[in-house]
Amino acid sequence: DGGITQSPKYLFRKEGQNVTLSCEQNLNHDAMYWYRQDPGQGLRLIYYSQIVNDFQKGDIAEGYSVSREKKESFPLTVTSAQKNPTAFYLCASSMNPQVTDTQYFGPGTRLTVL
Amino acid sequence: GNSVTQMEGPVTLSEEAFLTINCTYTATGYPSLFWYVQYPGEGLQLLLKATKADDKGSNKGFEATYRKETTSFHLEKGSVQVSDSAVYFCALSVGPFTGGGNKLTFGTGTQLKVEL
Repeated sequence: DGGITQSPKYLFRKEGQNVTLSCEQNLNHDAMYWYRQDPGQGLRLIYYSQIVNDFQKGDIAEGYSVSREKKESFPLTVTSAQKNPTAFYLCASSMNPQVTDTQYFGPGTRLTVL
Repeated sequence: GNSVTQMEGPVTLSEEAFLTINCTYTATGYPSLFWYVQYPGEGLQLLLKATKADDKGSNKGFEATYRKETTSFHLEKGSVQVSDSAVYFCALSVGPFTGGGNKLTFGTGTQLKVEL
């Protein structure tokens, strides 16, 4: 089955530690995205990538980093510089970044900082 | 800038009741409009979309019509079920970004609770 997988589903981190969230897709989509969701709020864009080896900052990129070494993978690192990292993180992909194409979402990773 | 405004929840209905969730938007350019649904603890699933004025998106008994004159995309369903209980997000996209890319702007979500 084609889709987007995110792992782990739940993640706990101590303050001051970096942590990496995995996102993999087998849809052969060019574009991938990371969003953050906080209770009672909509999703906010962290980073996006249109093509391998290229990525751009979204609205709330501070304290996060990404890489896009393979088309199917777009991992997100939450660094110790992120002031309030506890949230639900969602990865998405779309076929063509040049048009208003539908984005498909993974199941999410819930990160809790202890 | 772009923004989406949804009615606040939670919306509580009895099974078989009629549902309307209001969504209005502000956009620079000509957006595509989407409704996504999120079940507890899960990611978002596309429910329906519309890409031009007067288009009607529909899926699983849900409908929404792209109204350019009122900048609205209200979600409706004639008879809700308990299984429809979820959070519903209205979103727009006016991609590509400057420099490329396809950005979704989301509303804050409306929680729907359907009771027997």
